[in-house]
Amino acid sequence: AQSVTQPDIHITVSEGASLELRCNYSYGATPYLFWYVQSPGQGLQLLLKYFSGDTLVQGIKGFEAEFKRSQSSFNLRKPSVHWSDAAEYFCAVGAGSGGYNKLIFGAGTRLAVHP
Amino acid sequence: GAGVSQSPSNKVTEKGKDVELRCDPISGHTALYWYRQRLGQGLEFLIYFQGNSAPDKSGLPSDRFSAERTGESVSTLTIQRTQQEDSAVYLCASSPVGIASGDTQYFGPGTRLTVL
Repeated sequence: AQSVTQPDIHITVSEGASLELRCNYSYGATPYLFWYVQSPGQGLQLLLKYFSGDTLVQGIKGFEAEFKRSQSSFNLRKPSVHWSDAAEYFCAVGAGSGGYNKLIFGAGTRLAVHP
Repeated sequence: GAGVSQSPSNKVTEKGKDVELRCDPISGHTALYWYRQRLGQGLEFLIYFQGNSAPDKSGLPSDRFSAERTGESVSTLTIQRTQQEDSAVYLCASSPVGIASGDTQYFGPGTRLTVL
């Protein structure tokens, strides 16, 4: 069965520090992979997605992610974190029979940023 | 343009009552999804509508849950005889066609359901 694992429930970094959020997936076929961010009081916003091609994907707000098939991973990175990046981050894989018609989400990683 | 809207934003109900949650997708989006997010957890897929095709109901947790969609517009999620474990945020999303086409799902703000 398809699944997504985000090993880190909570991460704290200092403003200006680099960030890497881990995501591992289990899926039999070529996955469609996504990272979403959920800020307090706001809906889920797509940061980036991977469907095919270049395994390093650039997203909004300075985020990037790298698809590594051999490791079944899709880790999210940012070179310098801003206080406004404090939020919950969800990794997801597109899944479903006859097409990728639903998202399977990880449990999320809550990011706190120290000034 | 307008995003996905959901109503009500908050709903408090008593155990055993029925509730209806509404989702207005982005105009022109043929695909509509419902998810549930329990406190401190990720999102769980519930149901997916794509145009006039039969919906994918594989995520509905029990027969107390049902959903309808009128054409390619409004959708309602109904929970009958609510239980305390139904307490969660219910999120709706829409996309122009579907994930397989490379579409992005756009999420609404959610309805927070509390069952007392």
